[in-house]
Amino acid sequence: QQQVKQSPQSLIVQKGGISIINCAYENTAFDYFPWYQQFPGKGPALLIAIRPDVSEKKEGRFTISFNKSAKQFSLHIMDSQPGDSATYFCAAIPTGTASKLTFGTGTRLQVTL
Amino acid sequence: EAGVAQSPRYKIIEKRQSVAFWCNPISGHATLYWYQQILGQGPKLLIQFQNNGVVDDSQLPKDRFSAERLKGVDSTLKIQPAKLEDSAVYLCASSLFEDQPQHFGDGTRLSIL
Repeated sequence: QQQVKQSPQSLIVQKGGISIINCAYENTAFDYFPWYQQFPGKGPALLIAIRPDVSEKKEGRFTISFNKSAKQFSLHIMDSQPGDSATYFCAAIPTGTASKLTFGTGTRLQVTL
Repeated sequence: EAGVAQSPRYKIIEKRQSVAFWCNPISGHATLYWYQQILGQGPKLLIQFQNNGVVDDSQLPKDRFSAERLKGVDSTLKIQPAKLEDSAVYLCASSLFEDQPQHFGDGTRLSIL
């Protein structure tokens, strides 16, 4: 059972454009939503995270938007750069577990010149 | 600060053989995780240790997979006997405590022939 659905599977964006990746979840017990960035041959690295009591969180060019009623959240990468080309995973952690990550299926982002 | 170290980086074995992976977490990190990442999917938690005790191994195929974390530092993950569907990247992660961000190693890519 896929508890966190992620789309699109792949994304091509021109340099300077906005990359948008969407995730949806079913389990209302999730209460922490991190995003991870993974380069080929490397492990995932935490990028940014949000809790459902906040509708938006911004760190530099990366913004998470959160819609609790729709059980959806998204990652926006502003002014996308070729160095942002990587696979992005959304994830969710349920209340009370503190650490049990459930990952989405990933979005492969390619930023072209 | 040194990151999570894993070895080997790559391993190729035939089905029904055994294999072991090693992980050295970030110094001082009490919590250690093993994940399985099948190509095109997000990482899936196999087992979580708190110091040298198992916190969660609900998704570990215990008939063939085993893991230990002696002395609460290094950890090994073993597969015996391996099946074709075990082909994946095995990621180790550690965190200072259970509710702290997880830091991932670069993984071991396992290919089963």
